[in-house]
Amino acid sequence: AQKITQTQPGMFVQEKEAVTLDCTYDTSDQSYGLFWYKQPSSGEMIFLIYQGSYDEQNATEGRYSLNFQKARKSANLVISASQLGDSAMYFCAMREGPNFGNEKLTFGTGTRLTIIP
Amino acid sequence: NAGVTQTPKFQVLKTGQSMTLQCAQDMNHEYMSWYRQDPGMGLRLIHYSVGAGITDQGEVPNGYNVSRSTTEDFPLRLLSAAPSQTSVYFCASSYSDSRGREYFGPGTRLLVL
Repeated sequence: AQKITQTQPGMFVQEKEAVTLDCTYDTSDQSYGLFWYKQPSSGEMIFLIYQGSYDEQNATEGRYSLNFQKARKSANLVISASQLGDSAMYFCAMREGPNFGNEKLTFGTGTRLTIIP
Repeated sequence: NAGVTQTPKFQVLKTGQSMTLQCAQDMNHEYMSWYRQDPGMGLRLIHYSVGAGITDQGEVPNGYNVSRSTTEDFPLRLLSAAPSQTSVYFCASSYSDSRGREYFGPGTRLLVL
């Protein structure tokens, strides 16, 4: 089974609208971390947001928030008030295990987001 | 801090040639890793290391070797390049703490003819 599933290969969103990028994960560990990265056309990987499995609140970083639904094993990224610069590939990723900082990071296949002016 | 650096930025190889992709970080991170990125497949882990002297295989290790003699450096060796190894290679590092956010290098674009 896929560890990380991103079911939206591509999305088109009007500028200034909010957008939700879906991510579901599969793990039997109680301790894990979920990450979102952005990859613009220039190619670099940019860290956006982190959610720990024991965090009680949903993570937020500026215009980014993570809609964490533990029982459903989903960790959707929400971008509020989208901008043209948000056009990029977005990857969901997970580390799992009791000391998951030492564990490998598994990525989903990504969602290509295009913001339409 | 330079962060995570990778050299070269771009390389063309002929089938059967060997080469080493260099990766260095100056953040004293314990964890380092190598990924390859192919179209439509996201990032796949090749090898990783949780500290100097310790390495382990990831999802796609065949055809690649690594070593970690220092905390700072984590080179990736292609033993005998094949066209299937044409890809973009990313090196990354992180602290081995509960957050484990990875810092990525700029990537190396490799073309094997």
